[in-house]
Amino acid sequence: DAMVIQNPRYQVTQFGKPVTLSCSQTLNHNVMYWYQQKSSQAPKLLFHYYDKDFNNEADTPDNFQSRRPNTSFCFLDIRSPGLGDAAMYLCATHAATGELFFGEGSRLTVL
Amino acid sequence: DQQVKQNSPSLSVQEGRISILNCDYTNSMFDYFLWYKKYPAEGPTFLISISSIKDKNEDGRFTVFLNKSAKHLSLHIVPSQPGDSAVYFCAVRIYNQGGKLIFGQGTELSVKP
Repeated sequence: DAMVIQNPRYQVTQFGKPVTLSCSQTLNHNVMYWYQQKSSQAPKLLFHYYDKDFNNEADTPDNFQSRRPNTSFCFLDIRSPGLGDAAMYLCATHAATGELFFGEGSRLTVL
Repeated sequence: DQQVKQNSPSLSVQEGRISILNCDYTNSMFDYFLWYKKYPAEGPTFLISISSIKDKNEDGRFTVFLNKSAKHLSLHIVPSQPGDSAVYFCAVRIYNQGGKLIFGQGTELSVKP
């Protein structure tokens, strides 16, 4: 059974139209991450939560926001998607053993 | 400046032979090293890891080697199977930064029957 679930798997939006991607976890992990991965590139960390403490990476654009209403859920909001924001967005949780557990990703297309 | 580099974007290996995937890093503050495997249209899945206090960790067909003096990490798969064909990412964790991982660019492994 999937432990980190991302919805939707595929999202198509228009240039400038806000998008929300969701992530839920059944692992009860304190830490959740959002990564952005573009083709043939390394996943790039956007931000992470330690419980409710939000940690933004210095180079994450202001266009990207996140919410974590409870331990199980985390959302990625892209306020005004541009063509350059088309990517796979990966949610992950952090186990005490050190590895991250990833969801299957949400692929965003911007028209 | 890339702190984690996988210099080979692709690797092709015959079924049954050994696959060796390499990863170089620059920061001696990394304390934990991991390999992830990714199939198309799926998220990365954890494969194997090694702590900085060890130089080898083995799990079935997968062995990870860590050479701290050379700041080099490698993943050996033996024997390679066609189902191993995927993109492999190495990832490193910075000590005392809340578990944040930095990923390499990935190496696409193709295992031919």
